Amino acid sequence: DAGITQSPRYKITETGRQVTLMCHQTWSHSYMFWYRQDLGHGLRLIYYSAAADITDKGEVPDGYVVSRSKTENFPLTLESATRSQTSVYFCASSEASNEQFFGPGTRLTVL
Amino acid sequence: GENVEQHPSTLSVQEGDSAVIKCTYSDSASNYFPWYKQELGKRPQLIIDIRSNVGEKKDQRIAVTLNKTAKHFSLHITETQPEDSAVYFCAARDSGGYQKVTFGTGTKLQVIP
Repeated sequence: DAGITQSPRYKITETGRQVTLMCHQTWSHSYMFWYRQDLGHGLRLIYYSAAADITDKGEVPDGYVVSRSKTENFPLTLESATRSQTSVYFCASSEASNEQFFGPGTRLTVL
Repeated sequence: GENVEQHPSTLSVQEGDSAVIKCTYSDSASNYFPWYKQELGKRPQLIIDIRSNVGEKKDQRIAVTLNKTAKHFSLHITETQPEDSAVYFCAARDSGGYQKVTFGTGTKLQVIP
């Protein structure tokens, strides 16, 4: 859906570098989420946000930081990338009691 | 927290046959159960969902059933077609105020022409 975008779509980085993945939605949805997808694990929640300036940890938050200064943006930062953070990252948004809409994903490789 | 288990992890069916994917959840307070389809290299997309006050919901060839007592829900696809081949994820949303959803580990469905 054009309403939620992620950038970059592909990223290769090195161990120890800081990386920021961007997520932008145009629906003004209150809720936003970051997931990582790894074979055999499905989609695991990293962080979520209920509104601007309200964020909380999900199932696998270690090594990640988020912020949400504006409703439409929800960047995810890997402070010091590790090989175990190689994954496909999906951002999603939703409004109360409704489905989550996913972005196209970012494929991150940490060498 | 919520725990969602999904079976089987892979499923192969002949075109025209039915496919059934089963999930269980742990939190009896969960109240919303979506199913997502993810084609290769694409994003997950909602195909059907069911809320805790409903036992069954159908949309053309797909249906979902929910047994709250057993904490069990299932996806049924009838008259399968090659374009149904994808990974399917079940999920459960807890009753907290943050719309958090816990996903199962996925079922890779292959429909053989």
